[in-house]
Amino acid sequence: AQSVTQLDSQVPVFEEAPVELRCNYSSSVSVYLFWYVQYPNQGLQLLLKYLSGSTLVKGINGFEAEFNKSQTSFHLRKPSVHISDTAEYFCAVSAQYNFNKFYFGSGTKLNVKP
Amino acid sequence: DAGVTQSPTHLIKTRGQHVTLRCSPISGHKSVSWYQQVLGQGPQFIFQYYEKEERGRGNFPDRFSARQFPNYSSELNVNALLLGDSALYLCASSWGGTSGSRAGFNEQFFGPGTRLTVL
Repeated sequence: AQSVTQLDSQVPVFEEAPVELRCNYSSSVSVYLFWYVQYPNQGLQLLLKYLSGSTLVKGINGFEAEFNKSQTSFHLRKPSVHISDTAEYFCAVSAQYNFNKFYFGSGTKLNVKP
Repeated sequence: DAGVTQSPTHLIKTRGQHVTLRCSPISGHKSVSWYQQVLGQGPQFIFQYYEKEERGRGNFPDRFSARQFPNYSSELNVNALLLGDSALYLCASSWGGTSGSRAGFNEQFFGPGTRLTVL
C-alpha cells in the first residue's frame, strides 16, 4: 500500500512571502502524485499532478511542485502567496496500476496573513 | 458541462439510523469512488466502482456498502450509524478504463461532498 506524510499541520505566512508545503510518500510500486486544495465547506480542487517526465510540475494559481524520487518527496511551492490562498492543502498518492484509489495526507492548513 | 453532483448537501441523523448518500458522475465517466473525510483529517478511500462492479474497498466495516447503477450513478449506504461516522463524504468520478485507446491515467474529479452529522 501507499502512504503520505504531510510534515506540517499548519503553516502561517505573510502575504507576498514564499511558501513551501512539505509532502513525503511511501510506496513499493510506481506512483502518481497530486496536490489538492480545499476551501472551507467545499470539495477538493486539483492544483497539480505528477504522472511522468519533468520532475518540476506547474499547476494552477501559480503553484508548482517538484518530484524527488530519491527522497520520496513532492513538496509544493509558491513564490508569493495571496490572502486568497488561505485554505487546506492535501498531498495524495496513487499506485500507477490502480490510479482511482488515492491515499491522502492529513493536510496542511495555510494561513496567509496581511 | 456539469461536474460531479452529490445529494443531499447536509444530513443529520441519530445513532443507529441508516443513511443513503447519492452521487452522479460526470457524463461519460464510468468509475465512481467514495471517500470519508473526518474533520481535521485527509480523505480516506471507502469504495471504487467501475462498470457497476466493485473494484476496490478500503478498511471500513461491513456497515458501509455501495452500489453503482446502469447510468453510472452511485449510492453509499451506512447502517447502524455511530457518532464516529460524522464526516464529509466525497464522491469522485473518472472515465476509469484501464485498457484500449484511453488506457493509462485518467483524472478523478471530486464532488462538493455530503456533510453527515450523527447525533
